[in-house]
Amino acid sequence: GQSLEQPSEVTAVEGAIVQINCTYQTSGFYGLSWYQQHDGGAPTFLSYNALDGLEETGRFSSFLSRSDSYGYLLLQELQMKDSASYFCAVVGNFNKFYFGSGTKLNVKP
Amino acid sequence: NAGVMQNPRHLVRRRGQEARLRCSPMKGHSHVYWYRQLPEEGLKFMVYLQKENIIDESGMPKERFSAEFPKEGPSILRIQQVVRGDSAAYFCASSPRGQNYGYTFGSGTRLTVV
Repeated sequence: GQSLEQPSEVTAVEGAIVQINCTYQTSGFYGLSWYQQHDGGAPTFLSYNALDGLEETGRFSSFLSRSDSYGYLLLQELQMKDSASYFCAVVGNFNKFYFGSGTKLNVKP
Repeated sequence: NAGVMQNPRHLVRRRGQEARLRCSPMKGHSHVYWYRQLPEEGLKFMVYLQKENIIDESGMPKERFSAEFPKEGPSILRIQQVVRGDSAAYFCASSPRGQNYGYTFGSGTRLTVV
């Protein structure tokens, strides 16, 4: 089976940097993905790591260590609009995604 | 190039009624996935379909739930005899063949059972 652990809630101020960690246990692993979801909205794709290392996309970066079954999402220069829930997801067989329970990010002025 | 289209956006059903949720994948995508999200939880995989085929339905409840993706038309998730516990957001995603890094979700259907 699959299990993913991520913090339930994180609070940070505008302009700061925040890191959201994700640890996982899985059978069948192709990669780790991150999604953002605003209240009432659809999950939107942020990043995907298939190999170890850091992937950077603008203010967002994602890291994966397959040997540690660990990854994180790094958000820099936080903006109020970044307040949302962030989900890590393991990509398994048949391109199925197994999602964590999400981290609610509160960005304060 | 329209994204993944789901309708209706909101659906209210009384206990015991049937709910039909529709999903039209992105143009050129032949793979469809359905996920369910309960309040304050992550998305849970339900079923993976290709045109006229169910590839993996390991996440589907054994009773009352069914899904199809016909040769023509949208994919349909059908819930018979709905109960309060079926109240959730149902999201559909599509991907082209072979992609495994991420897919685009539709806006979802929020089902409320009263």
